[in-house]
Amino acid sequence: GIQVEQSPPDLILQEGANSTLRCNFSDSVNNLQWFHQNPWGQLINLFYIPSGTKQNGRLSATTVATERYSLLYISSSQTTDSGVYFCAVRETSGSRLTFGEGTQLTVNP
Amino acid sequence: NAGVTQTPKFQVLKTGQSMTLQCAQDMNHEYMSWYRQDPGMGLRLIHYSVGAGITDQGEVPNGYNVSRSTTEDFPLRLLSAAPSQTSVYFCASRIGQGNEQFFGPGTRLTVL
Repeated sequence: GIQVEQSPPDLILQEGANSTLRCNFSDSVNNLQWFHQNPWGQLINLFYIPSGTKQNGRLSATTVATERYSLLYISSSQTTDSGVYFCAVRETSGSRLTFGEGTQLTVNP
Repeated sequence: NAGVTQTPKFQVLKTGQSMTLQCAQDMNHEYMSWYRQDPGMGLRLIHYSVGAGITDQGEVPNGYNVSRSTTEDFPLRLLSAAPSQTSVYFCASRIGQGNEQFFGPGTRLTVL
């Protein structure tokens, strides 16, 4: 099956800093999503982005499907951004969403 | 819309007991699925359904049963709970192939 690798596994920032999270995948996809799992365990949809670039406030994402990677940018980080960020993909030929192992982000005040 | 709802939020079972985790969605989504999340890991697919009356196995199906009698509901059954099934369970739905998937709030299950 498709492999999904996220980097870095852990990231510690000071409030106000910017960061880039990366997601590499091993096969063609027709769906790529970024999620934020908050400290209470809720999975929050950030972006549905199988290709192209999207922005939502301080967050933006870019997927280059031909090169099999996606980037999540967080600008002017806040303590409420803390949590785990997951990338999940669905193969063009499949029906299941495969998750990476996540990036644990800690934003200190 | 309530989105994807799950009950209960928390459950403690003894080894060998059975129970059903409930999942419902009010978005008329065709696809529904169950995932489990173990500590420090991403989510893994247990079972999924592409429509009423149709179900299939995911990555980790052993010990779980599902059925899909209506579009709205997709219950997950544990027939004989084992400590290895201690996990957080998420239900998800989407409207069709390749579309955005939405997750419920999760059920935290502990098997003693």
